[in-house]
Amino acid sequence: RKEVEQDPGPFNVPEGATVAFNCTYSNSASQSFFWYRQDCRKEPKLLMSVYSSGNEDGRFTAQLNRASQYISLLIRDSKLSDSATYLCVVITSGTYKYIFGTGTRLKVLA
Amino acid sequence: DAGVTQSPTHLIKTRGQQVTLRCSPKSGHDTVSWYQQALGQGPQFIFQYYEEEERQRGNFPDRFSGHQFPNYSSELNVNALLLGDSALYLCASSLARGLYYTFGSGTRLTVV
Repeated sequence: RKEVEQDPGPFNVPEGATVAFNCTYSNSASQSFFWYRQDCRKEPKLLMSVYSSGNEDGRFTAQLNRASQYISLLIRDSKLSDSATYLCVVITSGTYKYIFGTGTRLKVLA
Repeated sequence: DAGVTQSPTHLIKTRGQQVTLRCSPKSGHDTVSWYQQALGQGPQFIFQYYEEEERQRGNFPDRFSGHQFPNYSSELNVNALLLGDSALYLCASSLARGLYYTFGSGTRLTVV
């Protein structure tokens, strides 16, 4: 079983739609969580950290469920520019290495 | 801009050859991590260097080796290249106990 799992998609949604991605992790010692965005053939860029209490940044909301070992990303009012691959990242306690999921592809359609 | 710099940006090599990729970390960062990203996959951790030593290593064969220099820059070496080594190689820098990485734009390696 992979340490971090994501549905690869693609998720094809119309502009203005709300879309949600989930990511599950297997190591209960995981302590830090992030969502990264990666555009085609570019490097990953930090979208947002994920906090236990949940956090919001504009149209983006991230949630963490430690009991069920998953994190989620909600995008409201999707824009064409949101089209990208969204990577879930987990860091295990005692390490400083990022463990990435396979990524979920999002295509926002006009 | 004092971000992470990787070179070269693209590279084509033949099976069996050796390759060296280079990375200069963001100004102020002292830790460098290397990742391999195959097409359609998430980045896979190769290893991390801190204080010129390999601090952690992922599940990659010994053909993959690295080095960190006193100025914190780093090299990734891959020997006896295989077709399956074709990928985007990403370098990320951070502080030793920092959780936030800055990624370089990567080196795209094609093995033919």
